[in-house]
Amino acid sequence: AQSVTQLGSHVSVSEGALVLLRCNYSSSVPPYLFWYVQYPNQGLQLLLKYTSAATLVKGINGFEAEFKKSETSFHLTKPSAHMSDAAEYFCAVSGPNTGNQFYFGTGTSLTVIP
Amino acid sequence: DTAVSQTPKYLVTQMGNDKSIKCEQNLGHDTMYWYKQDSKKFLKIMFSYNNKELIINETVPNRFSPKSPDKAHLNLHINSLELGDSAVYFCASSQANSYYGYTFGSGTRLTVV
Repeated sequence: AQSVTQLGSHVSVSEGALVLLRCNYSSSVPPYLFWYVQYPNQGLQLLLKYTSAATLVKGINGFEAEFKKSETSFHLTKPSAHMSDAAEYFCAVSGPNTGNQFYFGTGTSLTVIP
Repeated sequence: DTAVSQTPKYLVTQMGNDKSIKCEQNLGHDTMYWYKQDSKKFLKIMFSYNNKELIINETVPNRFSPKSPDKAHLNLHINSLELGDSAVYFCASSQANSYYGYTFGSGTRLTVV
């Protein structure tokens, strides 16, 4: 079965600092990888996705993620944190080898300190 | 137009009651889902359904049942509500190929008292 591991359930950064949220997946076949963001009291919104094209993927709100097959990782980064980035972030894996079912990580709560 | 809409947004009810949450998508997607998000924000798949197949997570109590009158709707019925059912329930939809990702509704916060 597929699995997704998000290291760090809580991450705090200062406003203007680098944001790094970690995600590792288990798959023998490169899957589709996604990052979703959930703002307080809202649903999940797609930030970006990797689907076997460019390994560096750019998403909304200045976020990007790099697919590294050798490390089975898909870490999410943003050069400069903004207060509005405070939210819950979920990594997910899917693809033909999962029957197109999504497997979500346990989420990382990002706090931005003024 | 909201792509995936859920009603109600908030639901407070007493133990033992039966309630329903409605979900509608206007994206023309083939598959719809129900997720439960607990107080620790963990997302748990409950059901996935398309016009051919219902897949049930075996850990979901049979008090929960999805009902789909048509391809654009997937409602969630819950019988004999328990305190532990309190959570946020999300509806989502996708095309048959997960390449495009899921589109989520804004959630229904269920509180059982």
